[in-house]
Amino acid sequence: GAGVSQSPSNKVTEKGKDVELRCDPISGHTALYWYRQRLGQGLEFLIYFQGNSAPDKSGLPSDRFSAERTGESVSTLTIQRTQQEDSAVYLCASSARAGVTYNSPLHFGNGTRLTVT
Amino acid sequence: AQSVTQLDSQVPVFEEAPVELRCNYSSSVSVYLFWYVQYPNQGLQLLLKYLSGSTLVKGINGFEAEFNKSQTSFHLRKPSVHISDTAEYFCAVRLPRGGSNYKLTFGKGTLLTVNP
Repeated sequence: GAGVSQSPSNKVTEKGKDVELRCDPISGHTALYWYRQRLGQGLEFLIYFQGNSAPDKSGLPSDRFSAERTGESVSTLTIQRTQQEDSAVYLCASSARAGVTYNSPLHFGNGTRLTVT
Repeated sequence: AQSVTQLDSQVPVFEEAPVELRCNYSSSVSVYLFWYVQYPNQGLQLLLKYLSGSTLVKGINGFEAEFNKSQTSFHLRKPSVHISDTAEYFCAVRLPRGGSNYKLTFGKGTLLTVNP
C-alpha cells in the first residue's frame, strides 16, 4: 500500500474487555513503532521492532499491554482488561531503517482512537 | 534522558500573519531535532529536521526552523500562514547515535489555529 495502514480507525470498548489494534507498515520497512497519544499530551513511545531483533518494549506502561510483529509485516498491539486511562489514540509508524540511518523518516498511520467506557 | 518543552499549547493567528511556535529541549548530549505536523484525524508528517550544518533549516509548506544551541531551542516559523496550516505541531528530538537512537521524544504539541 501507499502508506501505513491502521485498523480499526475507531474502537469503543467496555472497561475490562481486551482489544487488539492492527498496523500494516509500508512494504519493505524493517522498523516499526507504536506510540500512544493521550488528550493534551505528546506522543509516548510504547514499543519498537527492527527486523528479527528483540523488540524494545521499554515503553509499555503495564503488563496488560503486549505487541507482536510477524517478520517485517503486520503488527498487533493488544491491551488486556482495558481501563479508562487506556483511552487514547494509538499511532503506528514505520521506517526503512532506524537509528544510525537518519535519512529514513518515520511514516505514521492515521491512528486508532480507543475509547474505554 | 532527553525532554522537549513546547511553551504554547495553543496559538491562534489571523490568516497571512507570521507565526512562531516555540520549542526548547533538554539533553546532556547533542541531539537531532524535528518538527512534525498532525492534521485532524491524521497521522504525523515530517515538516523539517536539523541534523547538522546550517542552523536554519527549511521544510515543506514554507516553514523553517532555527537551531540555537546556546538557548537549546528549535523554534518553528512561517512568515505568512494560511487557513490550511491549522493543525497540531510537535517538536521532537532523537539521539544521533547510541543504543536507543531510534526513539523520538516528543513535546506535548502546539495547536495552531489560523482564523480568516
